[in-house]
Amino acid sequence: GENVEQHPSTLSVQEGDSAVIKCTYSDSASNYFPWYKQELGKRPQLIIDIRSNVGEKKDQRIAVTLNKTAKHFSLHITETQPEDSAVYFCAASASGGSYIPTFGRGTSLIVHP
Amino acid sequence: NAGVTQTPKFQVLKTGQSMTLQCAQDMNHEYMSWYRQDPGMGLRLIHYSVGAGITDQGEVPNGYNVSRSTTEDFPLRLLSAAPSQTSVYFCASSTGNSYNSPLHFGNGTRLTVT
Repeated sequence: GENVEQHPSTLSVQEGDSAVIKCTYSDSASNYFPWYKQELGKRPQLIIDIRSNVGEKKDQRIAVTLNKTAKHFSLHITETQPEDSAVYFCAASASGGSYIPTFGRGTSLIVHP
Repeated sequence: NAGVTQTPKFQVLKTGQSMTLQCAQDMNHEYMSWYRQDPGMGLRLIHYSVGAGITDQGEVPNGYNVSRSTTEDFPLRLLSAAPSQTSVYFCASSTGNSYNSPLHFGNGTRLTVT
């Protein structure tokens, strides 16, 4: 089955810096890659997603890039703010067969004011 | 739309007790699932359903049962609670083709088994 590795497990940055979280996946059939943000004590919520026919997607200060050849995708947050502090999860899923998403173990992002 | 509604928010059980965590969604989603979240372990899939009358096991199904009699509801039953089941439980749903649609999560149930 699919295996998703996520790094780093913890990331500490200063306000205004950029943050990058990386995920690798094992199943070449995976074609949908969402990112979820979970604030302390809250539920995970989708912040951005990308499909395999696209190499990059941006939404204001966040962007996701996908390298299908290398089987990795990354979340980029620019001009970080304290409210970006949260746990971020990547996931991967494939059409056909079992399309159940597989999650990475999460990255705890801490943005220091 | 209320989205995905989970009850209760908090629960304390004694070892050996049974209970049902409730999950309901009003988005007419075909796919529903249960996850448990433990520190450092991410989100682990317990059971899932691709439609009414259809359920299947996820990564960590032991000690849990599910049923899907309607599209809206997907309850999770703990048969005989154990301290290892202390966790935060999330219910999530998505449209039928979940490979291209995101999960919508409920607010979670924090369960403590003593």
